[in-house]
Amino acid sequence: AQSVAQPEDQVKVAEGNPLTVKCTYSVSGNPYLFWYVQYPNRGLQFLLKYITGDNLVKGSYGFEAEFNKSQTSFHLKKPSALVSDSALYFCAVRDRISGGYNKLIFGAGTRLAVHP
Amino acid sequence: GAGVSQSPSNKVTEKGKDVELRCDPISGHTALYWYRQRLGQGLEFLIYFQGNSAPDKSGLPSDRFSAERTGESVSTLTIQRTQQEDSAVYLCASSDSGGAYEQFFGPGTRLTVL
Repeated sequence: AQSVAQPEDQVKVAEGNPLTVKCTYSVSGNPYLFWYVQYPNRGLQFLLKYITGDNLVKGSYGFEAEFNKSQTSFHLKKPSALVSDSALYFCAVRDRISGGYNKLIFGAGTRLAVHP
Repeated sequence: GAGVSQSPSNKVTEKGKDVELRCDPISGHTALYWYRQRLGQGLEFLIYFQGNSAPDKSGLPSDRFSAERTGESVSTLTIQRTQQEDSAVYLCASSDSGGAYEQFFGPGTRLTVL
């Protein structure tokens, strides 16, 4: 079965420091991986995705993620955190069931807190 | 263009009542998804529509939950005889069909069952 793990409930970083939000996955075959962000009282916003190609994927708001097949990881990163990055971050993997559509399996989420 | 919209944004109901939640997807998106997000948890898949048909209803938690979609547009999620454990945020998403297109999410409906 496909699954996603976000091992950290919360990540705290100082503004200006680099941040990493961890995600590991378990899938059969090649994974389709996504990161979403959720600000308070709002829906999820798409940040970036990995389908194929370069292992380093760049997305919205200066975020990037590195696909590592050997470690089955897809960690989200940003070189310099902003207070406004504080939000709930979800990693997701496409469930490869028949039909080929994008049923997503989500991790439990990681709350990022960036302090001044 | 307009994003995914959902209504109502908040719904408070009494246990045992029926509720109907509405989702307007992005125009032209043939795929539509419903998810449930309980407080402090991740998203649970409920149901997927491709056009008007629902090839995957595997996530619906009980027969009290049903959903329909008219045309390739509006979808309604109905919960009959609501229970307190139904309290959650219900999120709708739409996407182009197939492939690895990202899903675009609406703001959600926060349902509280008293």
